[in-house]
Amino acid sequence: DVKVTQSSRYLVKRTGEKVFLECVQDMDHENMFWYRQDPGLGLRLIYFSYDVKMKEKGDIPEGYSVSREKKERFSLILESASTNQTSMYLCASSTLGQGSYEQYFGPGTRLTVT
Amino acid sequence: AQTVTQSQPEMSVQEAETVTLSCTYDTSENNYYLFWYKQPPSRQMILVIRQEAYKQQNATENRFSVNFQKAAKSFSLKISDSQLGDTAMYFCAFMLTGANSKLTFGKGITLSVRP
Repeated sequence: DVKVTQSSRYLVKRTGEKVFLECVQDMDHENMFWYRQDPGLGLRLIYFSYDVKMKEKGDIPEGYSVSREKKERFSLILESASTNQTSMYLCASSTLGQGSYEQYFGPGTRLTVT
Repeated sequence: AQTVTQSQPEMSVQEAETVTLSCTYDTSENNYYLFWYKQPPSRQMILVIRQEAYKQQNATENRFSVNFQKAAKSFSLKISDSQLGDTAMYFCAFMLTGANSKLTFGKGITLSVRP
């Protein structure tokens, strides 16, 4: 089974702190994604990556950056956390295999910025 | 740009009955995929069912089936013989075909199955 893990289930940080959210997948997937999930807004794509050291902005990249130094790991960085970044963050991965477009999700990190 | 609309925020169904969740989408493209994802309470999101736009036949996975109306841009999910474990948030999602495409999600619907 594909496994996507995230470093923390719950995280509490203070305004202005630098925050790192880590995501690791074990199926050698090429694609990795970071979403945030807010009530009434669904999932919104922050950043995604199709290869190591490669990144593309999603729909709401402001206030975030990402890093992908190894194929299995994709990190989301909040350079200076703000209260409006309090949210559930979901990581996902997928492969480029023929006809295979399913995204596999991690358990999520619920981040609270105070 | 593609959009996905789930207009019902919540639904409730009696155990063993059938429920239909609605989804509409908007695109000018012809080749794409549609998905329903399930997110149980405090658990990971998983894929329920997928539909390729070029296929006329509606996808089916056990108790889950879709009604795909391409001309109407409608993609509803039918859950038959509802079970307590079906209680979850359900998200409709759209993706263009192509190796570097991304998912666009609807806002989700919370489904509660009553015992």
